[in-house]
Amino acid sequence: EDQVTQSPEALRLQEGESSSLNCSYTVSGLRGLFWYRQDPGKGPEFLFTLYSAGEEKEKERLKATLTKKESFLHITAPKPEDSATYLCAVSNFGNEKLTFGTGTRLTIIP
Amino acid sequence: KAGVTQTPRYLIKTRGQQVTLSCSPISGHRSVSWYQQTPGQGLQFLFEYFSETQRNKGNFPGRFSGRQFSNSRSEMNVSTLELGDSALYLCASRRNRDVYSPLHFGNGTRLTVT
Repeated sequence: EDQVTQSPEALRLQEGESSSLNCSYTVSGLRGLFWYRQDPGKGPEFLFTLYSAGEEKEKERLKATLTKKESFLHITAPKPEDSATYLCAVSNFGNEKLTFGTGTRLTIIP
Repeated sequence: KAGVTQTPRYLIKTRGQQVTLSCSPISGHRSVSWYQQTPGQGLQFLFEYFSETQRNKGNFPGRFSGRQFSNSRSEMNVSTLELGDSALYLCASRRNRDVYSPLHFGNGTRLTVT
């Protein structure tokens, strides 16, 4: 059974203080690893898809990287509007559903 | 382009009742998935519909059911509601069943069972 573990559960940073969120996964045959952002009272918003180890994707202050066992979401010089819960999910060969981690709740303090 | 639309946004029901939630996918998207989100368990997969057929099902009891219409709109039904069914129910769509494509989520229906 696919498993996704995210750490830390919660992270508080000062504005401008860079950091990384971790997503460790166990999957029989990775098809894709997805990062989502979720704001309170809203559905998850798609950020990135990573397909193979070594791949990187960037969007504004966010950069996602992938190895064979984990993915990192690096946040550079974050702003208060980056505060949200960040979710990681995987899909595997033979199973079209996504398996999600429980997320990292990120708070950026002005 | 309009996103995924879920109605209603909030529902309050009593134990034993049943409830129907509605989802309109993004135009052109034929695959609709449903997830349950709770603070303790995170997002749990309920089921996926494509071309009016259930293609995949999660580990939920038979009280949870769904269907998809010819216009790709989907409904989810929960019968004999229990307190533990209180959750945010999220609908997501994608153009087809290609697992390389991301899911696009609606803002959910918040169900409270009292």
